[in-house]
Amino acid sequence: VHLVESGGDLVQPGRSLRLSCTVSGLSFADKSMSWFRQAPGKGLEWLSFIRSTPYGGTTEYAASVRGRFTISRDDSKSIAYLEMNSLKTEDTAVYYCARGLYDSSGYFDSWGQGTLVTVSS
Amino acid sequence: DIHMTQSPSSVSASIGDRVTITCRASQGISSWLAWYQQKPGKPPNLLIYTASTLQSGVPSRFSGSGSGSDFTLTISSLQPEDFATYYCQQANSFPFTFGPGTKVEIK
Repeated sequence: VHLVESGGDLVQPGRSLRLSCTVSGLSFADKSMSWFRQAPGKGLEWLSFIRSTPYGGTTEYAASVRGRFTISRDDSKSIAYLEMNSLKTEDTAVYYCARGLYDSSGYFDSWGQGTLVTVSS
Repeated sequence: DIHMTQSPSSVSASIGDRVTITCRASQGISSWLAWYQQKPGKPPNLLIYTASTLQSGVPSRFSGSGSGSDFTLTISSLQPEDFATYYCQQANSFPFTFGPGTKVEIK
């Protein structure tokens, strides 16, 4: 397994959660990373993107999470993070991290197995 | 945002059949398109990128074509392991968006 997500949990609406994506056996520092989610029985939704540090490490977000979610990366540990605040019931989903095929690429060739986030009171 | 549509939403096919799935973007995206395969309980798997480039390790029975706003994924001879849901995704601009998926089922 090359990408492993962790941090998924059952949380109440309005609370926060931080997901981690640990990458091993693959290059990390020179690749973009993204987070996606898939609600139960639904399709795929892209959430956020972070360029590699050489490309500025800049970030992009979907409108549905902008201002609530923050993506970051620690190249020394080969970990990408997704900080999620002000969680809503509609954020309930399996969350996947994925590595860009090449830097700044919008294509994702390696994916984690996913971590389940349930937002419920 | 670029809206992606796919057709059909599902298709029933037999082993050995040729299967074609179409994807349309709400505006031109050049060749910035990927196709993914997803099986239940598993993450997506990249099949094709830049509309027609086969990802390493993907069988040659998969092929992609198209540019602009109309794209096609073809499975030339359906195999048992190909029963899955297929998604197109545009990589032309943020936010990246996916089609709703096409489920390939056993006939």
